[in-house]
Amino acid sequence: EVQLVASGGGSVQPGGSLRLSCAASGFTFSSYWMHWVRQTPGKGLMWVSRTNSDGSSTSYADSVKGRFTISRDNAETTLYLEMNNLRAEDTAVYSCARGGVGTAPHPFDYWGLGTMVTVSS
Amino acid sequence: SSELTQPPSVSVSPGQTARITCSGDALPTKYAYWYQQKSGQAPVLVIYEDNKRPSGIPERFSGSSSGTMATLTISGAQVEDEADYYCSTTDSSGDQYVFGGGTKVTVL
Repeated sequence: EVQLVASGGGSVQPGGSLRLSCAASGFTFSSYWMHWVRQTPGKGLMWVSRTNSDGSSTSYADSVKGRFTISRDNAETTLYLEMNNLRAEDTAVYSCARGGVGTAPHPFDYWGLGTMVTVSS
Repeated sequence: SSELTQPPSVSVSPGQTARITCSGDALPTKYAYWYQQKSGQAPVLVIYEDNKRPSGIPERFSGSSSGTMATLTISGAQVEDEADYYCSTTDSSGDQYVFGGGTKVTVL
């Protein structure tokens, strides 16, 4: 059974940093592209970032580019999102989602439940 | 960046057909994906590549796309189909993804 469990969320002041983790199991993690997606009650879903299967290629939404860094540890089957210079508008539930194998784009065929990030003074 | 527009809500009686539209300039050249999200749960992929249904998704879910509009159809909607539905696609580079604002489907 595919499982994606995000952790590392919390409350942080504007300008602060957080590192999110997503523990994956139930599939060959090293073969799949992986994504972070966030969700706010008022604005729905927003794609944040993706990494290819070996971490050599990444992409970011314009609103987080230069502040967030996606990475992965295939040996530990874990996906990460390093978030710096956080803003109030980054407040959301952050979920990891599985992409596909090989050339993108792929749909997100499995999602985790997410971890809450609150940015507030 | 690309944008996708969905109606905020759709209501249908049990057994009737619900149609959810998604409009966007990227859709003529990019695939549409549809996700179902029930309250408190993670989204579930129900349609990919415009009209393909993942394993385990009931046949009453179907998708189509023409021009700048994609449509998710629930034929014979069930009470358990009540959820928020999101369309998604990629931008012109195929490397960034965008979601519609979501449509709340009520079956009553």
